[in-house]
Amino acid sequence: AQSVTQLGSHVSVSEGALVLLRCNYSSSVPPYLFWYVQYPNQGLQLLLKYTTGATLVKGINGFEAEFKKSETSFHLTKPSAHMSDAAEYFCAVSEGSGTYKYIFGTGTRLKVLA
Amino acid sequence: DGGITQSPKYLFRKEGQNVTLSCEQNLNHDAMYWYRQDPGQGLRLIYYSQIVNDFQKGDIAEGYSVSREKKESFPLTVTSAQKNPTAFYLCASSRGQKANEKLFFGSGTQLSVL
Repeated sequence: AQSVTQLGSHVSVSEGALVLLRCNYSSSVPPYLFWYVQYPNQGLQLLLKYTTGATLVKGINGFEAEFKKSETSFHLTKPSAHMSDAAEYFCAVSEGSGTYKYIFGTGTRLKVLA
Repeated sequence: DGGITQSPKYLFRKEGQNVTLSCEQNLNHDAMYWYRQDPGQGLRLIYYSQIVNDFQKGDIAEGYSVSREKKESFPLTVTSAQKNPTAFYLCASSRGQKANEKLFFGSGTQLSVL
C-alpha cells in the first residue's frame, strides 16, 4: 500500500534562506509524485510532479524536487525563500491506473521570517 | 478563464440537517473528486466520479452522498448521519483518470456546525 510521510508539520526559514521540505513515500510500484501548495482559505495548486525520466524536477515559483528511489524521498527545495512562499505544502503519491489513488501527506506549513 | 467554482465559501449546519455543497467546473474534465481537509490530517477522499452518472466511494464516504447528472457538476451532500462534519471541503477535477494526471482544485467550502 502506498503512503506519504512529511517530516515537520511546521517549518520556519528566514527570507533569503534555503527552503527544504521533506517527503518520503512508500509504494509497491514506481510512483508518480507531486507537490501541491495551498494558500490560506484556498484550494491546492500543483507546484511540480515527477512521472518518469529526469529525477530532478523543476516547478513554478523557483521550486524544485529530486526523486531519489534509493531513499524513497521526494524533498522540495528552493534556494532563496520569499515572503510570498508562506503557505502549506502537500506531498502526494499516486500509482496504478487512476488518479483516485492519490495519497496526500499531512502537510507542512512554511513560515518565512523577515 | 476555466476553473472550478465551489459555493458557498462558508456554510453552517444545524443538528439533523442535510446540507449540499456545490461544485461546478468548466474545464471539460471527465473526473471529479471530493476531499475533506482537517487540520494536521491532510486530504482524505470522500467520493469520486470518472464519468457522468457514475461515482465511487472513497476512503471516508459514510455520512455523505453525491450525484453526477451533468459533466460539469458534482454536488456533495453532507447528511445528518455525518456526526463530525466540521471541516474544509475541496472539490477537484482531472482531465482523465491516469495516475499521473494533475488535479485542479476549487477554493473550498468551510462547513461548521451550529
